[in-house]
Amino acid sequence: QKEVEQNSGPLSVPEGAIASLNCTYSDRVSQSFFWYRQYSGKSPELIMSIYSNGDKEDGRFTAQLNKASQYVSLLIRDSQPSDSATYLCAVKEADSSYKLIFGSGTRLLVRP
Amino acid sequence: NAGVTQTPKFRILKIGQSMTLQCTQDMNHNYMYWYRQDPGMGLKLIYYSVGAGITDKGEVPNGYNVSRSTTEDFPLRLELAAPSQTSVYFCASSYQSAGGVDTQYFGPGTRLTVL
Repeated sequence: QKEVEQNSGPLSVPEGAIASLNCTYSDRVSQSFFWYRQYSGKSPELIMSIYSNGDKEDGRFTAQLNKASQYVSLLIRDSQPSDSATYLCAVKEADSSYKLIFGSGTRLLVRP
Repeated sequence: NAGVTQTPKFRILKIGQSMTLQCTQDMNHNYMYWYRQDPGMGLKLIYYSVGAGITDKGEVPNGYNVSRSTTEDFPLRLELAAPSQTSVYFCASSYQSAGGVDTQYFGPGTRLTVL
């Protein structure tokens, strides 16, 4: 069974620090990876997508992908209390052009 | 654009009752999905649709049914509600970009309790 694994947390960091969120996946041939942010009681919203090995930066967010290690991470620089949320890692199924497998999420707490 | 809308926002059902969760999107997306999210868990795919008239089972379809008569609407039917169906239900839609990769957009969710 294809799986996406995340540490449930909570990951607690002080304001201004770098938060590092990690995700591993079981399907070696997966090609597309997504990070969604979900505030408590709200729906998931896409914050980053990454398809190639290496880093992809968007503002304070950097997604990192290592397909050989089946590992994808999200770095949040200069963390703010408003970043406190659950971050869901999602991997597109290799044999599907549209279906995602979600991890259970990591809860991030940014302390003022 | 309203994006993806869902009704109702909250609902309490008694065991054995039935109901339909409504989902509508105005982005002309071909693909639509129903997920459930249990407390502290990720999203589990219930059913999905690749276009009007075409639906298929996801990871956890038992106890649910769907239909897709139009591009915009993708209702989820619960027959004979059970306590195990207590969850938050999210509808999502997506498109196929020029790069062949889609982004899923989520509705606000329906919080369902079965007692």
